Amino acid sequence: DIQLTQSPSFLSASVGDRVTITCRASQDISSYLAWYQQKPGKAPKLLIYAASTLQSGVPSRFSGSGSGTEFTLTISSLQPEDFATYYCQQLNSYRYTFGQGTKLEIK
Amino acid sequence: EVQIVDSGGGLVQPGGSLRLSCGASGFTFSSYAMSWVRQAPGKGLEWVSTITGSGYTIYYADSVKGRFTISRDNSKKMLYLQMNSLRAEDTAVYFCAKAHYGDSGFDFWGQGTLVTVSS
Repeated sequence: DIQLTQSPSFLSASVGDRVTITCRASQDISSYLAWYQQKPGKAPKLLIYAASTLQSGVPSRFSGSGSGTEFTLTISSLQPEDFATYYCQQLNSYRYTFGQGTKLEIK
Repeated sequence: EVQIVDSGGGLVQPGGSLRLSCGASGFTFSSYAMSWVRQAPGKGLEWVSTITGSGYTIYYADSVKGRFTISRDNSKKMLYLQMNSLRAEDTAVYFCAKAHYGDSGFDFWGQGTLVTVSS
């Protein structure tokens, strides 16, 4: 199975900061990677698909990059509503594994 | 407007069975793969199973293979997850999710339904 490792697992930042979350795959997954945001008690929300394509309705401060085994999610200027947990997911092989998550907290 | 509503969760004893349901509206249900994803209390997301739009191709996580069965009724726009031989480690919120297109993520999710396996 393909394993996804996110770093960091916890991130403390302030409103207005630029933050980057990394997702590393245990083998080449081309660009078959999605990013989600999840807030407590809510379902995940799709932010980015195909590694770098912004889902409709998602603010442009979110961006994704990478291919192969290393991927990043960047938030260019943190807003109060961005404090949440973020997950990557690979869709290259039919076992659609998720990363362990990155919890973004207010500093 | 796309709407997905999960239901069927509850308390069940170890070794018991439960069937989850997911009703969908606002899109051509038979054209999209559907999946179940679960989240144990305080833990991360775990993909459980996916079924293609036609229902002909099905995938399972190793952790549930042989115990869970995913199915769909395209005439009723319904997705199901039959869960047998339940274990304590199956305790989680179960989400139904719609495929965006192809292998590009899950764009609409249900609100989740809690399954608790305990004696």
